Amino acid sequence: AQRVTQPEKLLSVFKGAPVELKCNYSYSGSPELFWYVQYSRQRLQLLLRHISRESIKGFTADLNKGETSFHLKKPFAQEEDSAMYYCALKKTSYDKVIFGPGTSLSVIP
Amino acid sequence: SAVISQKPSRDICQRGTSLTIQCQVDSQVTMMFWYRQQPGQSLTLIATANQGSEATYESGFVIDKFPISRPNLTFSTLTVSNMSPEDSSIYLCSVEETKWAMNTEAFFGQGTRLTVV
Repeated sequence: AQRVTQPEKLLSVFKGAPVELKCNYSYSGSPELFWYVQYSRQRLQLLLRHISRESIKGFTADLNKGETSFHLKKPFAQEEDSAMYYCALKKTSYDKVIFGPGTSLSVIP
Repeated sequence: SAVISQKPSRDICQRGTSLTIQCQVDSQVTMMFWYRQQPGQSLTLIATANQGSEATYESGFVIDKFPISRPNLTFSTLTVSNMSPEDSSIYLCSVEETKWAMNTEAFFGQGTRLTVV
């Protein structure tokens, strides 16, 4: 069965430090991969998707099929990046979304 | 992007009672979903709400406990029936928009925080 793992439940970094939120998945095909973010008192929203290869709010994520990983990175963390981050997978566009357990990022001023 | 209104935003209910959660979308959408997020846990899909037919439930969820209605393409309800404290959770409505293949995005309601006492 498809599965998404995020090994860190909590991650604290200092402002200005690089941050990497890890995500690994188990699926033998070519999935769609996403990062969703939930800021305090806001609803869950899409941060970025692997197909777009874009940088959103300074965050990037590269799909590594060999390592089945989709780690989220930002070179310089900001206080406003503090949030809950969920890695997610879809087998195809018409399949359900499978969410990882989430990583709570705390950026220390 | 779809805008989702979900209500109630929170409720405290007595065990043995039922609560119906409403989800209204500002546009017609094909794919509509209900999730549960238990304290400290990730999102778990309860079911896919299908317009004009019975909802499709995930393993571990049954229609008797979580009946779902989907009368049209903009509205759905989830009922949590015969509640027990284990049902205390956040329930989320979600829709997906697919602009083209491999370009989907899920949108979420603000959630309903349910506490069963």
